[in-house]
Amino acid sequence: NAGVTQTPKFRVLKTGQSMTLLCAQDMNHEYMYWYRQDPGMGLRLIHYSVGEGTTAKGEVPDGYNVSRLKKQNFLLGLESAAPSQTSVYFCAGGMTSGRYTGELFFGEGSRLTVL
Amino acid sequence: DQQVKQNSPSLSVQEGRISILNCDYTNSMFDYFLWYKKYPAEGPTFLISISSIKDKNEDGRFTVFLNKSAKHLSLHIVPSQPGDSAVYFCAASPYNTDKLIFGTGTRLQVFP
Repeated sequence: NAGVTQTPKFRVLKTGQSMTLLCAQDMNHEYMYWYRQDPGMGLRLIHYSVGEGTTAKGEVPDGYNVSRLKKQNFLLGLESAAPSQTSVYFCAGGMTSGRYTGELFFGEGSRLTVL
Repeated sequence: DQQVKQNSPSLSVQEGRISILNCDYTNSMFDYFLWYKKYPAEGPTFLISISSIKDKNEDGRFTVFLNKSAKHLSLHIVPSQPGDSAVYFCAASPYNTDKLIFGTGTRLQVFP
């Protein structure tokens, strides 16, 4: 049982390049989230999904796109990377049944550096 | 505008003593409050939560207190152990949403 898995774990990009972060979960979570963590800023929500085929904006969505074509996968895309997107990105899943209570299961993180 | 605030970036406590981590919030419309723990190079892990209709929840060494009138949340760890050394994030979920808003975190160090 792998839980929530993020790939890649590390990536270095040049300004203007594009890339996709993949999050895969085998916990049957309905909801999936992408957060970024920056020093002194805590965890900030980028985009999230409450079910297959749905996506919604979080607190800091600009410069990112997401897709949830399959329930178990949630992709985060950067179309034209900027140095301000240097961060550690965390994917999380939650909500298998009943009422949403905020309990999320996180992946190990993906460290992205944009030069 | 930071809706969930952790004003102490760090806290140092001796092993065996009580650790008290604090969190303040500005929005009255939060449904659930949670604490997450994070070790370096790992993702955050859920620790304990409390519903807005309660004022205390206990789980082993961990107790969360909610003071709605003061818009204040605290996590008590008794007794503190070296393995508790980590960054602790306070988080809150607004009513009728599926989002979780995090604070900036407090780094706890428990020394022998």
